[in-house]
Amino acid sequence: GENVEQHPSTLSVQEGDSAVIKCTYSDSASNYFPWYKQELGKGPQLIIDIRSNVGEKKDQRIAVTLNKTAKHFSLHITETQPEDSAVYFCAARGGYQKVTFGIGTKLQVIP
Amino acid sequence: KAGVTQTPRYLIKTRGQQVTLSCSPISGHRSVSWYQQTPGQGLQFLFEYFSETQRNKGNFPGRFSGRQFSNSRSEMNVSTLELGDSALYLCASSLSQGGNTGELFFGEGSRLTVL
Repeated sequence: GENVEQHPSTLSVQEGDSAVIKCTYSDSASNYFPWYKQELGKGPQLIIDIRSNVGEKKDQRIAVTLNKTAKHFSLHITETQPEDSAVYFCAARGGYQKVTFGIGTKLQVIP
Repeated sequence: KAGVTQTPRYLIKTRGQQVTLSCSPISGHRSVSWYQQTPGQGLQFLFEYFSETQRNKGNFPGRFSGRQFSNSRSEMNVSTLELGDSALYLCASSLSQGGNTGELFFGEGSRLTVL
């Protein structure tokens, strides 16, 4: 089955700096790659996703890139703000298969 | 539009007992998935239901079971509880199974503590 590896597990950045989280997946059949943000005491919430026919997608300060050949995808957050502090999960899914999540990255933005 | 509702939010059980957790998906959503979240293990997939049928299953022992009702509400049951079952159990609903609608909408979870 699919295996998603995510790193780093923790990340501290100064407010205003950029943050990058990287993931790799194993199943070449995976074609959908969402990113979720989980704030304390809440369930994860989708922040951005990308499909395998697209190499990059951007939404304001958040961008995701996908390299299908290398089976890598990354989340980029620019101009970080304290409210970006949360746990971020990458995930992968192929067709009607289950969504497989990475282990999560705890991002701390220091004011 | 109401979000995904999970009950109970918190519960404490002792080893050997059983527990039932409930999940009400967003109105119109027919797919419900369950995940176990523990520190250091991330989100581990338990099972997915679509139109009352289990469509996918994770690598959990048979003590973990679930079902979905005709109104798309879902329950999961854990029998013979073990200390290691202590976790946050998250339910997520989606409009359809896989396909073009991939977004999962999560509830806030049921936090189970096994003593």
